[in-house]
Amino acid sequence: DQQVKQNSPSLSVQEGRISILNCDYTNSMFDYFLWYKKYPAEGPTFLISISSIKDKNEDGRFTVFLNKSAKHLSLHIVPSQPGDSAVYFCAASAMVIQGAQKLVFGQGTRLTINP
Amino acid sequence: ETGVTQTPRHLVMGMTNKKSLKCEQHLGHNAMYWYKQSAKKPLELMFVYNFKEQTENNSVPSRFSPECPNSSHLFLHLHTLQPEDSALYLCASSQVGTDTQYFGPGTRLTVL
Repeated sequence: DQQVKQNSPSLSVQEGRISILNCDYTNSMFDYFLWYKKYPAEGPTFLISISSIKDKNEDGRFTVFLNKSAKHLSLHIVPSQPGDSAVYFCAASAMVIQGAQKLVFGQGTRLTINP
Repeated sequence: ETGVTQTPRHLVMGMTNKKSLKCEQHLGHNAMYWYKQSAKKPLELMFVYNFKEQTENNSVPSRFSPECPNSSHLFLHLHTLQPEDSALYLCASSQVGTDTQYFGPGTRLTVL
């Protein structure tokens, strides 16, 4: 049973427009959510995060929205740039004993920004 | 070196071989993790080490054996693997009490 789902395996957006990546989760115990970006042949790179006590967090061109009642979060990138083309992973955090976090990942969405 | 490094980057091994993957973090963190990413599957957590103590084993087969000699180094010892173990193995680290994990570039493992 997958607890974190990204239902769109791919997304294509024109340069300069808004990219919206979506993520749904099922476990209400998750208390922190993160987005990672991954280029080929590299590990995932942390992008932005949000605590469950907030509904929005913004960092430059990236904004994450959290709707706890719907168990849904989204990542907005505006304006989209060619360098944003990558695979984006949504992850949710549930505390394990002694403070080390256990991240549960979605399957990823491949974002392609077209010039 | 900065961040999280992993060696080797690519590894091809037979089912009877024994090999080890190495991870080193230069971030002063005290928690380290092994993840597996198979084709078309999400990243799966394998092991968690917190202050060198293993705190999570996510039902990983015994042919994978982790070792954490100190807070900066993490190994994954491999023996008698199966072809279905072919995957990208990622190491990550974090500071205990924070939620953000930082990943290495991964080792692409192929088992013949």
